[in-house]
Amino acid sequence: DSGVTQTPKHLITATGQRVTLRCSPRSGDLSVYWYQQSLDQGLQFLIQYYNGEERAKGNILERFSAQQFPDLHSELNLSSLELGDSALYFCASSSTEGSYYGYTFGSGTRLTVV
Amino acid sequence: AQSVSQHNHHVILSEAASLELGCNYSYGGTVNLFWYVQYPGQHLQLLLKYFSGDPLVKGIKGFEAEFIKSKFSFNLRKPSVQWSDTAEYFCAVRANQAGTALIFGKGTTLSVSS
Repeated sequence: DSGVTQTPKHLITATGQRVTLRCSPRSGDLSVYWYQQSLDQGLQFLIQYYNGEERAKGNILERFSAQQFPDLHSELNLSSLELGDSALYFCASSSTEGSYYGYTFGSGTRLTVV
Repeated sequence: AQSVSQHNHHVILSEAASLELGCNYSYGGTVNLFWYVQYPGQHLQLLLKYFSGDPLVKGIKGFEAEFIKSKFSFNLRKPSVQWSDTAEYFCAVRANQAGTALIFGKGTTLSVSS
């Protein structure tokens, strides 16, 4: 157990639907990062939040959005889902805004869009 | 923007063989470099990292990596692999500036036969 909790572990939904993935960072960590892992694209950085504020943005689609709440948990919202959104979505956390201590990853949410 | 290339997609070794996984990055400025490992069914775990100083860094489980600035490389090595090293290995880089996050290579799958 890494200390980063992601729910749900698996999610199956239909095209056009909207889902919310949740992440609780390791205790004491202020930064949360979202990554998408697929076979063809590998691990793609989506977005980072630090203490409630957006800090860095990667290849995140406009259909996707995220936020970090006052209790530091984060949610990734995926809407108008397409078959190509099927992937493993990882959340990671770190204590700082940077990466000196590396990131601690959760076990991921496997999203299947049918 | 920075990017990471891992040249070997799948490496197959016998136990006790030596391992070297290649990693090259593209970014002209100062970078922080990482290797992560993902065992089957588990979350990504930090193997080692380089920030500054001695370009040869040692990590967990007998792994080491050498940063060669002139070659933009950060290759991972282990003198003698074990069956338990079977996993996927990811190289990652972060530009040492605000507003950036870890960017990962596509990973190398290592299969070790006993």
